[in-house]
Parts: sequence; structure tokens; C-alpha cells
Amino acid sequence: QQQVKQSPQSLIVQKGGIPIINCAYENTAFDYFPWYQQFPGKGPALLIAIRPDVSEKKEGRFTISFNKSAKQFSLHIMDSQPGDSATYFCAASGIQGAQKLVFGQGTRLTINP
Amino acid sequence: NAGVTQTPKFRILKIGQSMTLQCTQDMNHNYMYWYRQDPGMGLKLIYYSVGAGITDKGEVPNGYNVSRSTTEDFPLRLELAAPSQTSVYFCASSQTGGANYGYTFGSGTRLTVV
Repeated sequence: QQQVKQSPQSLIVQKGGIPIINCAYENTAFDYFPWYQQFPGKGPALLIAIRPDVSEKKEGRFTISFNKSAKQFSLHIMDSQPGDSATYFCAASGIQGAQKLVFGQGTRLTINP
Repeated sequence: NAGVTQTPKFRILKIGQSMTLQCTQDMNHNYMYWYRQDPGMGLKLIYYSVGAGITDKGEVPNGYNVSRSTTEDFPLRLELAAPSQTSVYFCASSQTGGANYGYTFGSGTRLTVV
């Protein structure tokens, strides 16, 4: 019940395409859903996050879509660029207590020029 | 403003050896976390702390210990290194409460146990 399942494991997209990464969760107590971006040799960095009271959130070229009834959320990257090539992690947590993030397995995204 | 600093960046240990992974943050965050990252497995929580003097186990605590004597420091101790502890270790910190959450991660320690 604590798991967050992420797919696909890897994804290759041409420049300008729209990669989509999907995540699903079981724990209905989760109410905070961030995405982290990680470049090789670096720690993950917060990219964008959503709360379940909205179905979509946009920040620049990055969009989170959230489906509360299906317990699924996804990351879309508009007009993808080679510099977006990285590993992306979805995560989930409650907002009370220790706010322990449960991470998905990660998606290695490659944007070809 | 350094954020979260982890040392060392790389380390090779022999089976049975011990070591401490250091983590320091300068953002006055109360919450601190240790995760390990294995290929294809995401990040798994080892231990966490909600403030100085308070620590608790995460999902994969076996073989590790932590302490939190100050707000800034959260070291992770490996007592008897095993090959299964070969991994990349990340320390993170976060603020409490508020509408904007997020962890700030360090750059990681890559540990190999041989």
C-alpha cells in the first residue's frame, strides 16, 4: 500500500516531442505528489508538485496531470529538449508528520536532437 | 548557501568494515532523511529525523544507525559493511508545514563494499 509504481523504466523521444511518464499509488492518505529530476552524478531536485485538490498543474514546459479517482498522476514535458535528458522520479507522501516521500522506480528519459 | 553537504563523495569498503556518511545542512530544516538509490529501484528510505534528538526507522533500516545531536548534522553509520550495502546514498532535508514542500538533496555518496 506504500508503493508508488512508475512507468516506463526508460523512454526515448525526439526533440520537440512530448514524453509522458506515469505513476500510480494505492495509499489514499497520500496528498502530496512531487516529481524530481536527477542528472548523472547529482542528487534529485524538485521539479514540480501537485496536491489532489487540482487535476492539473503547469510550470513552464512541465505539466502534472492528476486523476484522484484512478489514483494516478503523470508528467508531461512539452517541446522537449536534449537538456531534459535525465532520470525522473515521481513520489508521494502525506502532509502531516514526517512527510516521508515514497518514490517510484524512476524513468530514464533521453531526448534525441 | 551550501544547502545539503554530503561527504565523502566516493568510498570503497571491505566487508566487515565500518564507516560514517556525513550530512550537514545550513537551511535550519528540522526534517532530515537518508535514502539509498539502487538501479531500477528508486530511492528507499533508511532513517529519518524530525528534529534534534529524534530519529526513526524508514523502510530499509537494517545494517544502519543514525544520530541527530544538532539541527544541522545527520550522520549515517554502517557498522559491519556487507556487499548488499553497495549503493548510492542521499541525504535530504525539508521544512515543516506550509503549502510548499520539497526535499533538498545532497549530491550523494557512492559506496562500494567488496
